[in-house]
Amino acid sequence: QSVMTQPPSVSGAPGQRVIVSCTGSSSNIGAGYDVHWYQQLPGTAPKLLIYGNSNRPSGVPDRFSGSKSGSSASLAITGLQAKDEGDYYCQSYDIGLSGSVFGGGTKLTVL
Amino acid sequence: EVQLVESGGGLVKSGGSLRLSCAASGFNFPYAWMTWVRQAPGKGLEWVGLIKSKTDGGTADSAAPVKGRFTISRDDSKNTVYLQLKSLKTDDTAVYFCATTQAFCGGDCYFGHWGQGALVAVSS
Repeated sequence: QSVMTQPPSVSGAPGQRVIVSCTGSSSNIGAGYDVHWYQQLPGTAPKLLIYGNSNRPSGVPDRFSGSKSGSSASLAITGLQAKDEGDYYCQSYDIGLSGSVFGGGTKLTVL
Repeated sequence: EVQLVESGGGLVKSGGSLRLSCAASGFNFPYAWMTWVRQAPGKGLEWVGLIKSKTDGGTADSAAPVKGRFTISRDDSKNTVYLQLKSLKTDDTAVYFCATTQAFCGGDCYFGHWGQGALVAVSS
């Protein structure tokens, strides 16, 4: 059971926009810690998608964007493409656990 | 180009030990903070621990489920970070990834580059 909650799955048609939510608490996101997002395509290692709530590393398309508000964060993906299918994880720091924590992950299906 | 290559995974019996290595290249390793993350089969990501650069103290920290059993160390002369796993349990079965972490990240660490992972399978 993760301390940050993500929906198990989201889906959308090609070209559409989807949102992946990440709900934390006052001991992690709500305490002011940054949220980061990772994309894991089938059979591959995770890849950093968004860091510091809303920053994209070099090479990540601007179709991916992140935001944070209160104890929650969101990852938005616009212009959905088949190659976006995979798992998406949020990550932050938890004071109570004294370490980094990941959300449970969300499986994105492109219909 | 940053490259991280894990090795040392395998099948081990419950209670046994194993040492994973992560060979790094393409960046100034001695100044890098490094992290280990694991992923059980069909499950999500779990942070295992982190080691600071020697210039920043060289200390390591680990998650509660592995504290006292897993030890992170580094050899800057070999550009390699290690994860020593002891008293292994079947629940430790996972792919173990090493990743780069920005220095002085405090509570806002993120993991910029990842290796391909090494599978550790613990049998009962």
